[in-house]
Amino acid sequence: GNSVTQMEGPVTLSEEAFLTINCTYTATGYPSLFWYVQYPGEGLQLLLKATKADDKGSNKGFEATYRKETTSFHLEKGSVQVSDSAVYFCALSEGYGQNFVFGPGTRLSVLP
Amino acid sequence: GAGVSQSPSNKVTEKGKDVELRCDPISGHTALYWYRQSLGQGLEFLIYFQGNSAPDKSGLPSDRFSAERTGGSVSTLTIQRTQQEDSAVYLCASSLAELHNSPLHFGNGTRLTVT
Repeated sequence: GNSVTQMEGPVTLSEEAFLTINCTYTATGYPSLFWYVQYPGEGLQLLLKATKADDKGSNKGFEATYRKETTSFHLEKGSVQVSDSAVYFCALSEGYGQNFVFGPGTRLSVLP
Repeated sequence: GAGVSQSPSNKVTEKGKDVELRCDPISGHTALYWYRQSLGQGLEFLIYFQGNSAPDKSGLPSDRFSAERTGGSVSTLTIQRTQQEDSAVYLCASSLAELHNSPLHFGNGTRLTVT
């Protein structure tokens, strides 16, 4: 079946540092890929998505590129802020109305 | 409404009691999901509704858990004879399933504490 693997956290960075959170997936077909962010005490929010190979999703300074050859969708940001502290989930979805598959989440803490 | 609404936001109950958690999806969204998130953990899929089709109940952890979706809109997740291990945040999400790979929109969750 489909699956998503993320780098284990927690990840602790200083403000303005470069961020990479690795995500790789296993899928039988051609899924869409997503990054969700969960701030403390809240539900998950869609951060960005990509629906086909080589697409780049971007939002709020975050980027991720759909790499079919390496089955990866790594999340990057050039300069993190304290307000980026949250849990980040990589996810995939395949087909219409199919169940989403989420990674285990990576907790990011950004220190001032 | 503007987003997915869940109620109550917090629920404290005694072991053995039944609880009902409510989810109001975004208007027009035909797909609705329930997930469970234990403290510091990832998302555990519980159940999925799509239009008038039979729900996918494959994630329900025991027969104490059940869910309904009335009129293709509001959903209720019921936990009977609650146990302490049921303590978690229960998240609801909806999507426009007609759109290929439409993203999920989440509510803020219900934090359930079983004492």
